[in-house]
Amino acid sequence: EAGVAQSPRYKIIEKRQSVAFWCNPISGHATLYWYQQILGQGPKLLIQFQNNGVVDDSQLPKDRFSAERLKGVDSTLKIQPAKLEDSAVYLCASSNRRTSNTEAFFGQGTRLTVV
Amino acid sequence: GNSVTQMEGPVTLSEEAFLTINCTYTATGYPSLFWYVQYPGEGLQLLLKATKADDKGSNKGFEATYRKETTSFHLEKGSVQVSDSAVYFCASSWGKLQFGAGTQVVVTP
Repeated sequence: EAGVAQSPRYKIIEKRQSVAFWCNPISGHATLYWYQQILGQGPKLLIQFQNNGVVDDSQLPKDRFSAERLKGVDSTLKIQPAKLEDSAVYLCASSNRRTSNTEAFFGQGTRLTVV
Repeated sequence: GNSVTQMEGPVTLSEEAFLTINCTYTATGYPSLFWYVQYPGEGLQLLLKATKADDKGSNKGFEATYRKETTSFHLEKGSVQVSDSAVYFCASSWGKLQFGAGTQVVVTP
């Protein structure tokens, strides 16, 4: 079974530029998450989708971050304009959750460096 | 909402030593609890989980017991190996999956 795919693996941009990340979850997984992991910290949930609807985006900085999951399959996360503090690893995860005890499967992440 | 607190690292120990990483949670209900591990250069992967009070999760010699009375889910391993060097994350799920800050474990030969 293929895992969660993310691209690109690495990205370096200048501040105030825009960037987009792509995620393809495990086939059949209805729930998709985007996390931000700053160096030395635990992953912080940015947004959670159930199919193509947003379940939780309370920690998403909506003035600069946006995410969509068209057709309920793959997803993109965009930052515009980027700030230095956005430097982090952006993790995508998916789960086939019908209850809260279902594990989430993670992709390798995209390491973003804003200079 | 729910949150997770785990002990700070790094934790450095010798091969075959006993490992404990403390984790406590706060939640309005009874969340499912998880330990994830991140090996150097790799992504997050599930190590073990427990879904209700008194459940014990186990995998690869690691164990953790869901203690409702102390709201804890401490990770233990009786004899660590160099290959266990990684960052370990405690997580809880009550509507959304929340992670602790992570504990780096370094095992020396």
